[in-house]
Amino acid sequence: DQQVKQNSPSLSVQEGRISILNCDYTNSMFDYFLWYKKYPAEGPTFLISISSIKDKNEDGRFTVFLNKSAKHLSLHIVPSQPGDSAVYFCAASENSGGYQKVTFGTGTKLQVIP
Amino acid sequence: DAGVIQSPRHEVTEMGQEVTLRCKPISGHDYLFWYRQTMMRGLELLIYFNNNVPIDDSGMPEDRFSAKMPNASFSTLKIQPSEPRDSAVYFCASSSRGEQFFGPGTRLTVL
Repeated sequence: DQQVKQNSPSLSVQEGRISILNCDYTNSMFDYFLWYKKYPAEGPTFLISISSIKDKNEDGRFTVFLNKSAKHLSLHIVPSQPGDSAVYFCAASENSGGYQKVTFGTGTKLQVIP
Repeated sequence: DAGVIQSPRHEVTEMGQEVTLRCKPISGHDYLFWYRQTMMRGLELLIYFNNNVPIDDSGMPEDRFSAKMPNASFSTLKIQPSEPRDSAVYFCASSSRGEQFFGPGTRLTVL
């Protein structure tokens, strides 16, 4: 049972335009949300996060929005650049025995076309 | 620091053989995680350790999978016997109560 869902396996965007990656979750105990970026033949790397007490967090070209009532979050990349082409994993965490246990989604492959 | 180191990077084996994946976490990190990435399920947490002790192995698919962490700088994930459905990329990650740092992964192919 996927608690974190990324329903779009792939997305293509023109360079300079906005990329919007979506993520839905089912577990209301999740209190922290993260996005990881993964290039081929490399491990995922942390990109940006948001606490459940906020609805927006911005870091340069990257903004994450959280809608708790809809159990939905999204990552916006503006403007998109060819170097942003990668697989993006949405992740959510909850406190489990004193540690934040992280659950990942299936990933969305973003292609930014020059 | 060299980051999280995993070996081998690629492993091809035949069904029924034993497979051992290795991981060296970042020095000073007290949490170590093993994940499996598949197209269908994305990144699945298999097991994690805190201070070399297994804390949660509920993600380990079945008894054919086992993991050990004999010391703070080394962990293994073993599959015995291996099956074709075990083919995936296996990631090790480490952290110190914050962001997880991932290794480059081991691509396992079981024929």
